[in-house]
Amino acid sequence: QVQLQESGPGLVKPSETLSLTCTVSGGSVSGAFFFWSWIRQSPEKGLEWIGYIHYNGSNNYNPSLKSRVTISLDTSKNQFSLKLSSVTAADTGFYYCARLVSTILPNWFDPWGQGTLVTVSS
Amino acid sequence: DIVMTQSPLSLPVTPGEPASISCRSSQSLLHRNGHNYVVWYLQKPGQSPQLLIYLATNRASGVPDRFSGSGSGTDFTLKISRVEAEDVGVYYCMQPLQTPLTFGQGTRLEIK
Repeated sequence: QVQLQESGPGLVKPSETLSLTCTVSGGSVSGAFFFWSWIRQSPEKGLEWIGYIHYNGSNNYNPSLKSRVTISLDTSKNQFSLKLSSVTAADTGFYYCARLVSTILPNWFDPWGQGTLVTVSS
Repeated sequence: DIVMTQSPLSLPVTPGEPASISCRSSQSLLHRNGHNYVVWYLQKPGQSPQLLIYLATNRASGVPDRFSGSGSGTDFTLKISRVEAEDVGVYYCMQPLQTPLTFGQGTRLEIK
């Protein structure tokens, strides 16, 4: 059974870079049919897809965040990571990592990590 | 961006009674391959979202058969035939057809 676990600082200062890592257990990040994803949730914006990466290096980001987001993959550690630069209070929320299963097209997120709360504050 | 609009936003239900949630998309989610690219999730209190339905009508592994999905094009429905106490939480629809992937605003199901 594949499991995902987010880790990283729960408090980030405004204008700094938010950095989170997702560790995958019970399966490999090198699967051809999976895209490794980040999603965030806040009362103001609800669930918001941030972006995803495939083990072949291809990625796709939400245009609303694209200029500030980098998602990377470390196959040796079976992890993937999120960096979000120049954060503001609007970036406060729960951050989830999730596996996006793809058949012909990207299809559904399953499983999700338990989520981690990130607060942007000085 | 494809906008996903759910209704109602709040749904009080008596245990044993049916429930229905609507999700409408601003663009058709029917792909030329014949599949409708809509997914339903349930976020139980204090938990991350869990997969219920994919490709509009397919129940995920382990999901009780009281949950069913229907619809095509831009109009989709999640139905619970007989609500149980464990079904409380927020239900979300999502479209994976086009980036950015987008979610509905959520429907909160509560027990009367």
